[in-house]
Amino acid sequence: QLQLQESGPGLVKPSETLSLICTVSGGSVTSSSYYWGWIRQPPGKGLDWIGTIYSSESTYYNPSLRSRVSISVDTSKNQFSLKLTSVTAADTAVYYCARSPGVKAGFDPWGQGTLVTVSS
Amino acid sequence: QSVLTQPPSVSGAPGQRVTISCTGSSANIGAGYDVQWYQQLPGTAPKLLIYGNNNRPSGVPDRFSGSKSGTSASLAITGLQAEDEADYYCQSYDSSLSGSVFGGGTKLTVL
Repeated sequence: QLQLQESGPGLVKPSETLSLICTVSGGSVTSSSYYWGWIRQPPGKGLDWIGTIYSSESTYYNPSLRSRVSISVDTSKNQFSLKLTSVTAADTAVYYCARSPGVKAGFDPWGQGTLVTVSS
Repeated sequence: QSVLTQPPSVSGAPGQRVTISCTGSSANIGAGYDVQWYQQLPGTAPKLLIYGNNNRPSGVPDRFSGSKSGTSASLAITGLQAEDEADYYCQSYDSSLSGSVFGGGTKLTVL
């Protein structure tokens, strides 16, 4: 059974870079059948798609974040990661990683999520 | 403002039927892209409830059903149960944004 687990600092200072890792177990990030995505949810608010990656070959980003976001895959560790630069308090959210069968499809399963707070 | 529009809240008594709407545009739902629905119980990650407009993953009760028409989609829940109290989100693909979009979410209260 595929499982995803987010990890990374829970507190990031304003203007710094947020870095998170999603570790995949029970499946491979190199699978040609799946894409891997990041979604976030500010406290008390709705879901916001950040971006999706396919096998280190293709990346798709939310236009509102494109200038600050980067998603990559580490095949040796079966992980994929998220980097978000120049963070502000508006980036405070629970960050989820998830698998998708396609860039135009849904997300399943999801990781449990990790709260990242941006504060000095 | 979310690209997909959902009512902020809906409610129903146990055993009743409720529907949650998701309104998009010609760039997403109206363009023929699939709609997914997610259930988010308090303090947990979203769970896929409906995919491809009207398909249920294994383990999802048939009390949950999805439909799509034009630029809108709907989630119907029949035989409401207390454990259905959660937030529900629709999601699709938007060609103008070249990415996934979510609705703002609907809080279901079981009276």
